[in-house]
Amino acid sequence: DVKVTQSSRYLVKRTGEKVFLECVQDMDHENMFWYRQDPGLGLRLIYFSYDVKMKEKGDIPEGYSVSREKKERFSLILESASTNQTSMYLCASSSLFPGAGGSGTDTQYFGPGTRLTVL
Amino acid sequence: KNEVEQSPQNLTAQEGEFITINCSYSVGISALHWLQQHPGGGIVSLFMLSSGKKKHGRLIATINIQEKHSSLHITASHPRDSAVYICAVGVSGSRLTFGEGTQLTVNP
Repeated sequence: DVKVTQSSRYLVKRTGEKVFLECVQDMDHENMFWYRQDPGLGLRLIYFSYDVKMKEKGDIPEGYSVSREKKERFSLILESASTNQTSMYLCASSSLFPGAGGSGTDTQYFGPGTRLTVL
Repeated sequence: KNEVEQSPQNLTAQEGEFITINCSYSVGISALHWLQQHPGGGIVSLFMLSSGKKKHGRLIATINIQEKHSSLHITASHPRDSAVYICAVGVSGSRLTFGEGTQLTVNP
């Protein structure tokens, strides 16, 4: 079974702090994703990575950065946390090849989520 | 307008009822996914469809590509089916676009 783990289930930070959210997957997946989930808005893509050291902006990258130094680990960084970044953050991974080269048919496997509160 | 629209947003049913959740999308897709999210946050993939119909236990998913519409049915619903059900579409590449989700509550 694919396992995607996230470093914390709950996190409370103060405005202006630098925040690191880490995600690790154990299935040698090429693709990794960071989403935030807010009531009424659904899942929105922040950043994704299709290879080590490769990243692409999603729909809402402002205020976030990412790092992928190893294939299994994808970190989301909030450079200076703000109250509007209070949210549920979900990491996911998927394999490129079973979907015929990333054709949108790849199943994404999700971590348990981190509920971040910025005070 | 969102590319992926789900209805209803909220659904309450009695145990044993037949449940239908709908998903409409506005773009050409390569696949449609149904996902389930239980309280506490974890999301699991239920189905991936590019045509026709799939069945797993009491869950059935159908898709009509021409009408850009998919339905998720739950037969003989049970309180443990209470969750948020999310529709997502894959257009190209590995990205998915998600609907807002349908909150299902099944009462005993």
